[in-house]
Amino acid sequence: KQEVTQIPAALSVPEGENLVLNCSFTDSAIYNLQWFRQDPGKGLTSLLLIQSSQREQTSGRLNASLDKSSGRSTLYIAASQPGDSATYLCAVINNAGNMLTFGGGTRLMVKP
Amino acid sequence: EPEVTQTPSHQVTQMGQEVILRCVPISNHLYFYWYRQILGQKVEFLVSFYNNEISEKSEIFDDQFSVERPDGSNFTLKIRSTKLEDSAMYFCASREGGGENTEAFFGQGTRLTVV
Repeated sequence: KQEVTQIPAALSVPEGENLVLNCSFTDSAIYNLQWFRQDPGKGLTSLLLIQSSQREQTSGRLNASLDKSSGRSTLYIAASQPGDSATYLCAVINNAGNMLTFGGGTRLMVKP
Repeated sequence: EPEVTQTPSHQVTQMGQEVILRCVPISNHLYFYWYRQILGQKVEFLVSFYNNEISEKSEIFDDQFSVERPDGSNFTLKIRSTKLEDSAMYFCASREGGGENTEAFFGQGTRLTVV
């Protein structure tokens, strides 16, 4: 059974810092990995999707990498802003199915 | 930009009552999902639906739950007899296809409170 873990669970940084959020998964037979943002009490907004054959994807100040063989992904946020404060979730789809398995999220606070 | 819409945004119901949560997936999408998130916990998979039938379901999705796509646009989740532990945020999601390059898009959720 796929297990997805995110470290750290919470992170507080001053505005302007570059930061890295980590995601690990136990079964490397994944189809793709997706990063989401969740604001308190709200839905999930898709940030980036990395296919299993890809190593990284970039969108603006966000860069996500994937090392499938070691079961790891990172989300790099450059020049963080207070508006980046939210919970960041990673989720994988396994080769054997089409459902997403989520990590517990990293709650990010960027202080002005 | 196309989006997944869910109604209602908040539903309060008495224990034992039936509830129906409604979703309108993105129009050209073929795969539909329900997930739930109990306060402070992980987002959990409930069920996936493709080609007018359930394709996968979790152990949470027992006989109290059912899904329907009654017409070409709506996708509903029914809970027959709600329990206190069904209180959670319920998210609908859709994907255009089953390929590895297709993102899942989520709605804003329905907060279900069972009292």
